[in-house]
Amino acid sequence: AQTVTQSQPEMSVQEAETVTLSCTYDTSESDYYLFWYKQPPSRQMILVIRQEAYKQQNATENRFSVNFQKAAKSFSLKISDSQLGDAAMYFCAYKFQGAQKLVFGQGTRLTINP
Amino acid sequence: GAVVSQHPSRVICKSGTSVKIECRSLDFQATTMFWYRQFPKQSLMLMATSNEGSKATYEQGVEKDKFLINHASLTLSTLTVTSAHPEDSSFYICSAITGTFLTDTQYFGPGTRLTVL
Repeated sequence: AQTVTQSQPEMSVQEAETVTLSCTYDTSESDYYLFWYKQPPSRQMILVIRQEAYKQQNATENRFSVNFQKAAKSFSLKISDSQLGDAAMYFCAYKFQGAQKLVFGQGTRLTINP
Repeated sequence: GAVVSQHPSRVICKSGTSVKIECRSLDFQATTMFWYRQFPKQSLMLMATSNEGSKATYEQGVEKDKFLINHASLTLSTLTVTSAHPEDSSFYICSAITGTFLTDTQYFGPGTRLTVL
């Protein structure tokens, strides 16, 4: 069974600094998708970034970028120029290409210090 | 973008009553919707997968008779918590898929907080 592990329950960073959230996953599949979702205090889940496993190039979305290491089964999220609005729970998620379900990690609570 | 709504956002009910939560895709047709449960400070736990026009597929350990799911149209899925008890109090979140099956991304509703007294 696929599993997703986020080893950092909590992280904090100074405003305007850069922070990296870790995620590792376990799968025997070769075709899959990886996601980072943000859940702010409003509890609304928001898609931050998505990566297709067949793509070697790391996905980027403005201040958010990933470091996708397929062989190491690692998928970290880097947030540059952290802003107060980035404070949230961040969930890493995996989806096998042939399945509908997402497998979520335990989440990392990110605090931004002004 | 793809917008998913849920109604109600909060509901309080008495023990033994049933509660219905609606999940709607507002600007797209969702062939598949998902229902999650989230406990405080925890991750999302998938309860069931709902495909339009067919019976929902429940995850192991989820009581089908307690959590009734209906996906009657391409824009609406409902979750009914039957004979609710205090232990059913939780945050329930739905999501929907837009796009092709193999490449789709799940978009989430804002959630419903259920409190059973």
